Amino acid sequence: DIQMTQSPSSLSASVGDRVTITCQASQDISNYLNWYQQKPGKAPKLLIYDASNLGTGVPLRFSGRGSGTDFTFTISNLQPEDIATYYCQQYDNLPLTFGGGTKVEIK
Amino acid sequence: QVQLVQSGAEVKKPGASVKVSCKASGFSFTNYGTSWVRQAPGQGPEWVGWFSGYNGNTNYAQKVQGRVTMTIDTSTNTAYMELRSLRSDDTAVYYCARDEVGATLDYWGQGTLVTVSS
Repeated sequence: DIQMTQSPSSLSASVGDRVTITCQASQDISNYLNWYQQKPGKAPKLLIYDASNLGTGVPLRFSGRGSGTDFTFTISNLQPEDIATYYCQQYDNLPLTFGGGTKVEIK
Repeated sequence: QVQLVQSGAEVKKPGASVKVSCKASGFSFTNYGTSWVRQAPGQGPEWVGWFSGYNGNTNYAQKVQGRVTMTIDTSTNTAYMELRSLRSDDTAVYYCARDEVGATLDYWGQGTLVTVSS
């Protein structure tokens, strides 16, 4: 199975800050990577697919980039409604696997 | 619009079975696949398996292989996941998600809590 390692596991930032999360795959996955946002008690929501494509209706302050084994996810202008846990997920091979998550809080 | 509505919470004893339903609107399961994902309390998501609405192909996670069956009922546009021989570590919220080819989960159900406890 492909292991996905996310960092940091949590972060605290101020409204308006730029926030970056990294995700590393245990092997080359090309651009077969998605990012999800999960708020407490809710299902995950697709934000980014194919490493860098914005999901339907997702605000432009969210972005993703990378290929191979190293990926980044960025919130360019952190808003209070962005408080959530973010997960990366690879789909190069089954089983689909998720990163351990990054919990984003407001300072 | 696309919506997935899952069945309610279940409490089961070890060794029992559970069948979770996921009713779709806004699209047909026969044109898409369905992934099932579970999330144990305080943990990240764990993929359980995928079912193709096109041809009925399945792919299950090794952890549940032999204990899980995924199906769809085309007459009601509902997907099902049955998990048998339940163990305490099966306790989790189970989600269905639209997933065309076993890759990107673009719409999710609200989740169903399955608690396995004696």
